[in-house]
Amino acid sequence: RKEVEQDPGPFNVPEGATVAFNCTYSNSASQSFFWYRQDCRKEPKLLMSVYSSGNEDGRFTAQLNRASQYISLLIRDSKLSDSATYLCVVNPPRQGGKLIFGQGTELSVKP
Amino acid sequence: EAEVAQSPRYKITEKSQAVAFWCDPISGHATLYWYRQILGQGPELLVQFQDESVVDDSQLPKDRFSAERLKGVDSTLKIQPAELGDSAMYLCASSFQGFTGELFFGEGSRLTVL
Repeated sequence: RKEVEQDPGPFNVPEGATVAFNCTYSNSASQSFFWYRQDCRKEPKLLMSVYSSGNEDGRFTAQLNRASQYISLLIRDSKLSDSATYLCVVNPPRQGGKLIFGQGTELSVKP
Repeated sequence: EAEVAQSPRYKITEKSQAVAFWCDPISGHATLYWYRQILGQGPELLVQFQDESVVDDSQLPKDRFSAERLKGVDSTLKIQPAELGDSAMYLCASSFQGFTGELFFGEGSRLTVL
């Protein structure tokens, strides 16, 4: 079983739609979770951290369910500029700054 | 443009040849990472440095890959000999001292092995 698993998509949605991505992780002792965004042929960049209480940044909401070991990212009112690959990222326990990336979920927002 | 500098941006080589990638992290970043990203997959950690010391190289194929960060600043990743399966994007990243979860990636070096 992979340490971090995501649905690779692609998710094709119209502008203005709400879209949700899920991610599961295998190590129940993992403490830190993140979503990164990677534009086509570009480097990954941190989108947001995921806190136990959930967190929101504008149109983006991230949630963590420790009991089920999954992380979600909700994008409301999708924009064309949201088209990218969204990477779920986990920091395993007792491994310092090591980050494990999922394979990514591709989002394509159409006019 | 990414603040982490990498070169070359593109490299085409034949199998069994040697290839090297260079990375200059953001000034003051003590932690440096090399990741490999195969098309359609997420980045996979190859090696992590804290200053000049290797913290994690458990996924580095040590029979053909080597990495160094001699003065704790810039770093070189070498592959010798290159194999067809090494074709990928090699991403360098750096981060502040102390874990925040934010890695700053370079634009990557795309390797094609023929």
